[in-house]
Amino acid sequence: AQSVSQHNHHVILSEAASLELGCNYSYGGTVNLFWYVQYPGQHLQLLLKYFSGDPLVKGIKGFEAEFIKSKFSFNLRKPSVQWSDTAEYFCAVIPGFFKAAGNKLTFGGGTRVLVKP
Amino acid sequence: GAVVSQHPSWVICKSGTSVKIECRSLDFQATTMFWYRQFPKQSLMLMATSNEGSKATYEQGVEKDKFLINHASLTLSTLTVTSAHPEDSSFYICSARDWGLHSNTGELFFGEGSRLTVL
Repeated sequence: AQSVSQHNHHVILSEAASLELGCNYSYGGTVNLFWYVQYPGQHLQLLLKYFSGDPLVKGIKGFEAEFIKSKFSFNLRKPSVQWSDTAEYFCAVIPGFFKAAGNKLTFGGGTRVLVKP
Repeated sequence: GAVVSQHPSWVICKSGTSVKIECRSLDFQATTMFWYRQFPKQSLMLMATSNEGSKATYEQGVEKDKFLINHASLTLSTLTVTSAHPEDSSFYICSARDWGLHSNTGELFFGEGSRLTVL
């Protein structure tokens, strides 16, 4: 079965520091990749997604992610974090053709990010 | 963006009772909805896929008689936790795919989640 791994469970950093969260998946075929964010007390929100094309994906709130097929990775980055980026971040994967209605997201374990003011 | 709403957002019940959680797509139709469960400090685990007009598809290890899913209309799916026990206490999240109004790529939108506590 496919799996999604997020390397860090907890990350603590100061404002203005750079952030990189790792995500690796095990599925060998075509994949669709997502990063979601869950702010404290709020529901999941989509940060960015990759279906095809340019492997460097720009998302909301200054986030970006790079798909490296050879490494089965989709790492999330932000050059300079703010206190408001404190949240839990989830990487997720759907294998194959996204428009197949039965496909479902597999989530990584999540990474809790705490940005100190 | 699209709005998926869950109700109730928070419920406490006694052991042995049943609890129903509703998931609604407020401004788009969803033939497919997904129910997830999130344990504290863990990721979301897919429980089942809810299909409008047909039976839900359950993931391995999920008791279909325990977690009843009904997708009676294109905007409503319900999850009923039957004969709830303390180990059923969790955060239940639904999601629905929007194929047209807000996204032509079938983006998943998530509800706010429903926290169930069974005493």
